[in-house]
Amino acid sequence: DGGITQSPKYLFRKEGQNVTLSCEQNLNHDAMYWYRQDPGQGLRLIYYSQIVNDFQKGDIAEGYSVSREKKESFPLTVTSAQKNPTAFYLCASSLHRWAPGTNTGELFFGEGSRLTVL
Amino acid sequence: DQQVKQNSPSLSVQEGRISILNCDYTNSMFDYFLWYKKYPAEGPTFLISISSIKDKNEDGRFTVFLNKSAKHLSLHIVPSQPGDSAVYFCAASGGAQKLVFGQGTRLTINP
Repeated sequence: DGGITQSPKYLFRKEGQNVTLSCEQNLNHDAMYWYRQDPGQGLRLIYYSQIVNDFQKGDIAEGYSVSREKKESFPLTVTSAQKNPTAFYLCASSLHRWAPGTNTGELFFGEGSRLTVL
Repeated sequence: DQQVKQNSPSLSVQEGRISILNCDYTNSMFDYFLWYKKYPAEGPTFLISISSIKDKNEDGRFTVFLNKSAKHLSLHIVPSQPGDSAVYFCAASGGAQKLVFGQGTRLTINP
């Protein structure tokens, strides 16, 4: 079945440690995204990538890093510099790339990864 | 600056009645709007979308209305079913903005 797979579903980390969340898609989508969800807030964009080996910062990129070495994969690293890393992280993809004045169509989301910093 | 706002954090509706979820936006360049449904500990799933050239789009029990002059959209679910209990996000894009999400509204359908 086509879709987006995120792992792990639950992750615990000690303060000061980096952690990497995996996101893989087999939808052959060009664009991939990482969002963060906090209670009472909408989904906030961390990073996005429209093509292999290219990615752009979203609204809350500080303390995060990403890579896009393969079309199917877009891992997110939560670094020790991220001040409030405990959150629910969502990876998404879209068939179309985004450009000013256009829309990407619907985003397809993975099931999410819940990160808790102890 | 919250460009997409869902002012009701929660809504409770009786099974079989109509559920109306509201969303306001401030950016007049937004021209594409979507609604997503999210169950706990799962990713959001796409429900329905509407572009700014329309004022209504219908898909089964779900209808989205867009009032561009008021910068307001709403999602109507009729009749409401227990499985509709979830958090609903509206989202908008257009101009120089990628998809921007509202805070979500938790809908509870009571038997």
